Amino acid sequence: GENVEQHPSTLSVQEGDSAVIKCTYSDSASNYFPWYKQELGKRPQLIIDIRSNVGEKKDQRIAVTLNKTAKHFSLHITETQPEDSAVYFCAANPTDSWGKLQFGAGTQVVVTP
Amino acid sequence: GAGVSQSPRYKVTKRGQDVALRCDPISGHVSLYWYRQALGQGPEFLTYFNYEAQQDKSGLPNDRFSAERPEGSISTLTIQRTEQRDSAMYRCASSFQETQYFGPGTRLLVL
Repeated sequence: GENVEQHPSTLSVQEGDSAVIKCTYSDSASNYFPWYKQELGKRPQLIIDIRSNVGEKKDQRIAVTLNKTAKHFSLHITETQPEDSAVYFCAANPTDSWGKLQFGAGTQVVVTP
Repeated sequence: GAGVSQSPRYKVTKRGQDVALRCDPISGHVSLYWYRQALGQGPEFLTYFNYEAQQDKSGLPNDRFSAERPEGSISTLTIQRTEQRDSAMYRCASSFQETQYFGPGTRLLVL
């Protein structure tokens, strides 16, 4: 089955700096990679996703890049703000069961003013 | 429109009791998913449905756990003879295509 590893587990950045979170996956045929943001006590919310036929996708201050050869994908947050503080989860869908998202362990991002 | 809803939001039960957790997906969403999320961890897949058909139940921990979605809308996750290790946040999600939208979860505490 699919295995997703996420690094780092915690990330502290100064407001205005960039944050990068990296995930690797094991199933080379996985084709959908969403990123979720979860604030304390709240539900996970999708912030961006990418499909395997695209190498990069941007949405304002957030971007995701995918390297299929190396089987890794990354979340980039630019000009970080205090409201970006949250836990971020990457995920991948294994080809043996497309609805079965395999999540990474999460990255706690703390943006300090 | 309304998002995914779950009930109850909190459930405290005694070991050995059965519990039923309900998920009401976004209207029109074909697929419904159940996850379990431990504190500080990512959601862990349990099972999912397309319409009323259970497509994958490989994540259910053991035969005390079962799920159904008889009319292709509301789903119930049932845990029989609960054990303390079943204590967790149980989350439901639904989707029309790939994007999964999560519900607020049911916090289960087994004493």
